[in-house]
Amino acid sequence: GAVVSQHPSRVICKSGTSVKIECRSLDFQATTMFWYRQFPKQSLMLMATSNEGSKATYEQGVEKDKFLINHASLTLSTLTVTSAHPEDSSFYICSAPLLGTGGNFGYTFGSGTRLTVV
Amino acid sequence: DAKTTQPNSMESNEEEPVHLPCNHSTISGTDYIHWYRQLPSQGPEYVIHGLTSNVNNRMASLAIAEDRKSSTLILHRATLRDAAVYYCILNTGTASKLTFGTGTRLQVTL
Repeated sequence: GAVVSQHPSRVICKSGTSVKIECRSLDFQATTMFWYRQFPKQSLMLMATSNEGSKATYEQGVEKDKFLINHASLTLSTLTVTSAHPEDSSFYICSAPLLGTGGNFGYTFGSGTRLTVV
Repeated sequence: DAKTTQPNSMESNEEEPVHLPCNHSTISGTDYIHWYRQLPSQGPEYVIHGLTSNVNNRMASLAIAEDRKSSTLILHRATLRDAAVYYCILNTGTASKLTFGTGTRLQVTL
């Protein structure tokens, strides 16, 4: 089945540094990628929507200059957390819709990236 | 986005059927009913989705009320590996975003 490969699965970084998270679609083209953040014991919160070849759309309250999203190809979308701070520590997850001639066949998700900022 | 309401938690014994309810009284005619589940420390996993008719796949069945204001995810024989948070989400049949609620935490015991 269609898979989104997300890397790294875990990362620890120092405050003030930047971290890049990659999501690659395997065996299908992801024209759209959604980026979520999940804090412990909470649900997923949508951060932004990226479309291949255009600027990402950010949800209200999400700083676009802090969370840089690049979707330069149909198989790769990246999220860069810039100048990370401890409050950015979270579980980041990407997702892509599976589209076909019959419409939307569901969404596939990456395995998530656990970011810890120290 | 139309909202869904699910119980916070449910318990089941292993190898017994589980019926996870979801209310979506404000569903629109173009909304599909999606179900995903999330195991601890993993990304969500697609379970099933449907529009009007009941749906079956290898993981589960989806029973949709005739007025579409509620649905039930049915796990025919729960196993310990089915312990997860189950999310019921409404979504149009396009590439629109999924908005997650709090879901139902399913516990499966021996």
